[in-house]
Amino acid sequence: AQSVTQPDIHITVSEGASLELRCNYSYGATPYLFWYVQSPGQGLQLLLKYFSGDTLVQGIKGFEAEFKRSQSSFNLRKPSVHWSDAAEYFCAEAKTSYDKVIFGPGTSLSVIP
Amino acid sequence: DTAVSQTPKYLVTQMGNDKSIKCEQNLGHDTMYWYKQDSKKFLKIMFSYNNKELIINETVPNRFSPKSPDKAHLNLHINSLELGDSAVYFCASRPSGGETQYFGPGTRLLVL
Repeated sequence: AQSVTQPDIHITVSEGASLELRCNYSYGATPYLFWYVQSPGQGLQLLLKYFSGDTLVQGIKGFEAEFKRSQSSFNLRKPSVHWSDAAEYFCAEAKTSYDKVIFGPGTSLSVIP
Repeated sequence: DTAVSQTPKYLVTQMGNDKSIKCEQNLGHDTMYWYKQDSKKFLKIMFSYNNKELIINETVPNRFSPKSPDKAHLNLHINSLELGDSAVYFCASRPSGGETQYFGPGTRLLVL
């Protein structure tokens, strides 16, 4: 069965520090991959997505992610974290553009001023 | 100019009651979804409709019945509510040929 793992349940970083959130997917072929962010009490907002082409994907709010087939990973990065980045981050995969999206368990990010 | 809206935002009710959650999208999308997010933030798909037709139905109790009167609306009716139904329910929509889902703000359901 498809699954998405996010090994870190919770991460705390200092404001201005760099950030990397890990994600591993299970689909054997090249999946559609997404990172969503959920601020407290809010819905999910798409940060970025990948399904083909350049393996380094740029997203909104200064985030980027790199697709590594050899590691089945799609890690999210940001060079300098802002306090407003504190939120829940979800990695997700789908087999095709119209297939159901499988979400990982999420990583909660706290930012220390 | 809300893209995907849900009503109500909060819903507190007693066990055994029947309740409905409504979702509307003004994006012209063909596909709509219902997700359940549990207390541990785990997000799981429940249903998906494409042009008013059910295309995904995960292993959800029969007490949950989605209804799509038109492609802009996908409502969720829940019969005989149970404590375990307490969760945040998210509606989402996706355009035909696109891969990005757009989420509503969620409906926080608490069953007492």
